[in-house]
Amino acid sequence: DGGITQSPKYLFRKEGQNVTLSCEQNLNHDAMYWYRQDPGQGLRLIYYSQIVNDFQKGDIAEGYSVSREKKESFPLTVTSAQKNPTAFYLCASSPPGTENYGYTFGSGTRLTVV
Amino acid sequence: AQKITQTQPGMFVQEKEAVTLDCTYDTSDPSYGLFWYKQPSSGEMIFLIYQGSYDQQNATEGRYSLNFQKARKSANLVISASQLGDSAMYFCAMREDNTNAGKSTFGDGTTLTVKP
Repeated sequence: DGGITQSPKYLFRKEGQNVTLSCEQNLNHDAMYWYRQDPGQGLRLIYYSQIVNDFQKGDIAEGYSVSREKKESFPLTVTSAQKNPTAFYLCASSPPGTENYGYTFGSGTRLTVV
Repeated sequence: AQKITQTQPGMFVQEKEAVTLDCTYDTSDPSYGLFWYKQPSSGEMIFLIYQGSYDQQNATEGRYSLNFQKARKSANLVISASQLGDSAMYFCAMREDNTNAGKSTFGDGTTLTVKP
């Protein structure tokens, strides 16, 4: 079955460490997105990519980096510059040219700073 | 300014009854889409229903319908015949086609609890 796989499900980061969250999709979707969700709040956009080898900053990109070398993969790196990284991270994708198509989401990665 | 406002942090409904979750939005883009997503306690977001700004009729998907009032900039979700499995967090989202490159902005969500 097609879908989005996020790994790991839980991730613990020490102060000053960079960590990378994986997002892989087999839906053949062009656009991919990373959102951050804090407890009891909505989703905020970190980065998005509409095509391979191209990506754009979202509303809260500081302290994060991404790459899009393959259509299927859109990993997110949380750098040491991100001062408050503890949150739930969701990856999503959507196909092009289908305005009424909602996002398909992965099951998320819960990141905790220890 | 908030682009998506969900004023009900929590809602309760009796099983088998209908419930309305409120959503108001703010945009000057004439072309936009409105979405509702469900987030169970597992965390995964599930797309429920879509309404386009030019759609003349309210969207429906099974037990879900969207009460779209364009002049009031509201897009309320109606769930009919509530089931225990409907207990979850619900998010309203908007995509602005001309000003926001297809990205979606989300509200803060409403937690729905269905009572047996």
